[in-house]
Amino acid sequence: DAGITQSPRYKITETGRQVTLMCHQTWSHSYMFWYRQDLGHGLRLIYYSAAADITDKGEVPDGYVVSRSKTENFPLTLESATRSQTSVYFCASSGGISSGNTIYFGEGSWLTVV
Amino acid sequence: QKEVEQDPGPLSVPEGAIVSLNCTYSNSAFQYFMWYRQYSRKGPELLMYTYSSGNKEDGRFTAQVDKSSKYISLFIRDSQPSDSATYLCAWVRSGSARQLTFGSGTQLTVLP
Repeated sequence: DAGITQSPRYKITETGRQVTLMCHQTWSHSYMFWYRQDLGHGLRLIYYSAAADITDKGEVPDGYVVSRSKTENFPLTLESATRSQTSVYFCASSGGISSGNTIYFGEGSWLTVV
Repeated sequence: QKEVEQDPGPLSVPEGAIVSLNCTYSNSAFQYFMWYRQYSRKGPELLMYTYSSGNKEDGRFTAQVDKSSKYISLFIRDSQPSDSATYLCAWVRSGSARQLTFGSGTQLTVLP
């Protein structure tokens, strides 16, 4: 089942370029999240959204922008990519109590900034 | 001091062994506890979820939470090579809109 999909799966970009990572979920979950995963730091929350048009910062939001105009989509934009943003990015969603508070992850987007 | 400590491993065991993975935490506001499994180049997948002290069993997996001592454990019985992955403890802080915070992960290899 598709569930939650991310695109692109792999991306190489240059420093200073704008990059958007897409996330789409088919469950109509209220909550959506963006995490980055780095060696030595584990998974860290970048931004999250409790519903359409409601977003909030996580642990490491600097350099990132999100939007949530539709429940099913939660794109993450790097406005001016830097080498420190080379990472694996995971989108996740949760339906809250109605789905047992479980959080489901996408397959990840591997981003390299050169 | 980190809010959660998880032994990073790596941990290598023979097939059929019982595996014990542990996390300790310091914040009493942690409400829900989870264990995720992550295969190489894949997203984390939920293994176990609990919110109360005690044991929860699901097949070969048992999650144990002790809120008074502030530790959570995952036991894997009859371990298989397919269990080779990184295991992440995770938790939701009460009132945090279901934001997950993760431990650093323990890399497990089960040798055939």
